[in-house]
Amino acid sequence: GENVEQHPSTLSVQEGDSAVIKCTYSDSASNYFPWYKQELGKRPQLIIDIRSNVGEKKDQRIAVTLNKTAKHFSLHITETQPEDSAVYFCAASRRNTGNQFYFGTGTSLTVIP
Amino acid sequence: GAVVSQHPSWVICKSGTSVKIECRSLDFQATTMFWYRQFPKQSLMLMATSNEGSKATYEQGVEKDKFLINHASLTLSTLTVTSAHPEDSSFYICSARSIADRYYEQYFGPGTRLTVT
Repeated sequence: GENVEQHPSTLSVQEGDSAVIKCTYSDSASNYFPWYKQELGKRPQLIIDIRSNVGEKKDQRIAVTLNKTAKHFSLHITETQPEDSAVYFCAASRRNTGNQFYFGTGTSLTVIP
Repeated sequence: GAVVSQHPSWVICKSGTSVKIECRSLDFQATTMFWYRQFPKQSLMLMATSNEGSKATYEQGVEKDKFLINHASLTLSTLTVTSAHPEDSSFYICSARSIADRYYEQYFGPGTRLTVT
């Protein structure tokens, strides 16, 4: 099955700086890569996603890049704010065969005011 | 739109008893629902895929006789933890995929915290 690795496990940045979280996946057939933000005790919230036919996607301060050849994708948050503090999970999925999500191990992001 | 609810939000039960958790899609029909388990400060681990009207597909290592899943309608899936033990204590989250099927996204429920004493 799919194996998703995520780094770093914890990340602290100063407010206004950028944060980068990286994930690798093992199944070359995976074709959908969402990123979720989860606050303590709450449900994961989709923040951005990318499909395998696209190399980069941006939504305001958040961007995701995908390198299919290397099987890795990254989340970039610019101009970080304290409210960005949360746990972020990447996931990989094969859209055409069940769409199961396999999640990375999570990154706890702390933005220091 | 795309709201998923879970009930109960938390439950405490005694060891050896069974607990049922419901997952409902409130404003859309879901052909497929997924059940995840999350331990404190850990990732979401996919337990099983639930398809309406058919048997659930369990991930490797998940005991299907212990975690019974029923997907009786396009808006409801249930997870029953049978003969619960303290090690089953965890946060259980469901998600649902829309029947519209042109969306990749899964919509997550708020989770159910199970504590087995």
